Amino acid sequence: KAGVTQTPRYLIKTRGQQVTLSCSPISGHRSVSWYQQTPGQGLQFLFEYFSETQRNKGNFPGRFSGRQFSNSRSEMNVSTLELGDSALYLCASSPGDFSNQPQHFGDGTRLSIL
Amino acid sequence: GQQLNQSPQSMFIQEGEDVSMNCTSSSIFNTWLWYKQDPGEGPVLLIALYKAGELTSNGRLTAQFGITRKDSFLNISASIPSDVGIYFCAGIAGGTSYGKLTFGQGTILTVHP
Repeated sequence: KAGVTQTPRYLIKTRGQQVTLSCSPISGHRSVSWYQQTPGQGLQFLFEYFSETQRNKGNFPGRFSGRQFSNSRSEMNVSTLELGDSALYLCASSPGDFSNQPQHFGDGTRLSIL
Repeated sequence: GQQLNQSPQSMFIQEGEDVSMNCTSSSIFNTWLWYKQDPGEGPVLLIALYKAGELTSNGRLTAQFGITRKDSFLNISASIPSDVGIYFCAGIAGGTSYGKLTFGQGTILTVHP
């Protein structure tokens, strides 16, 4: 069974630009969550999508947005990039029917802002 | 944002030794999870706990869900070099917390052969 796939693996951008990251969940999983991982703040929840609808949102500014497609694939967009946005962005998927179902993670996209 | 209190932050042990780490929270969680992350990879699920007091094993790993629902611990027995990595606890508050994991800061494990 294929795992969670994230593309690209690495990205380098400059301040002020925008970026789009992609995530394909495990087949059959309808919930996709996004996390930001940094040395200082650890793993922080960004948002979760299920059946193309955002069900939960973390405490990040509106520059961080996402969407989910009918095939459950998800994209995350960050606009007006800041130096502090440099991080590993992780996507995780689960069946999504119940809130206590564990999530399975992809290997992330490493975003560097110059 | 909220984080779980995970300790210790790092451990240096000899191969063959047992390891114990724990997580505490000021609020209740309905599910506790333990993940391991290797360099350049995403976290991999090790153990999931769903019920207060539950004790679950996965090979040399054993984890428990605290009876107060505010803590959990992970034990690794007879450590081997491939146990090296960062271990994270994570909690799910339940209810409408769909897709939202709250993580500990991680325990960095180093195993000397």
